[in-house]
Amino acid sequence: AQSVTQLDSHVSVSEGTPVLLRCNYSSSYSPSLFWYVQHPNKGLQLLLKYTSAATLVKGINGFEAEFKKSETSFHLTKPSAHMSDAAEYFCVVSEGYGGATNKLIFGTGTLLAVQP
Amino acid sequence: KAGVTQTPRYLIKTRGQQVTLSCSPISGHRSVSWYQQTPGQGLQFLFEYFSETQRNKGNFPGRFSGRQFSNSRSEMNVSTLELGDSALYLCASSLGSQGFRHEQFFGPGTRLTVL
Repeated sequence: AQSVTQLDSHVSVSEGTPVLLRCNYSSSYSPSLFWYVQHPNKGLQLLLKYTSAATLVKGINGFEAEFKKSETSFHLTKPSAHMSDAAEYFCVVSEGYGGATNKLIFGTGTLLAVQP
Repeated sequence: KAGVTQTPRYLIKTRGQQVTLSCSPISGHRSVSWYQQTPGQGLQFLFEYFSETQRNKGNFPGRFSGRQFSNSRSEMNVSTLELGDSALYLCASSLGSQGFRHEQFFGPGTRLTVL
């Protein structure tokens, strides 16, 4: 079965400093992994996705993530945090690689706070 | 192109009532999935429809049901509401049925409160 574990429920950074949000995955085959962001009272927005192409994936708003098979990790990073990055971030795995399903399995989320 | 729309945005119901939520996917998208988001359980998959067929179902009681129409719009119904059904219900649409290939676009959600 596929699963993702987000290692931190809350992360606080200062504006202009780097962001690191950690995610480990468990999968019996090569997974498709995603990071979504949810701003307060809003829906989910896709930041980036990994689908077995390049292991370093660049997303929107300066975010990127690196797929590391040896560490079963897919951590999200950004070189310099902005106040508008304050939100909840979800690491997500697609259940059915190669199969016909859109089912997504979500991590428990990491709430990012950005201090001025 | 208009995004995924969900109606209503907010609902207040009492225990025992039933409720119907609606989702209109992005034009051309044939897949609609539903998720429940609660503080305690996080985001959980409810069900998935593709071309009017339910392709996948999460681990929810039979009180939760859904359907998809020929125009790809989808509805979900919850009967005999319980307090624990209070949640944000999110709908996602996608071009195809292979989640690893096609991005899923989420709507703003319907906030259901059961009193």
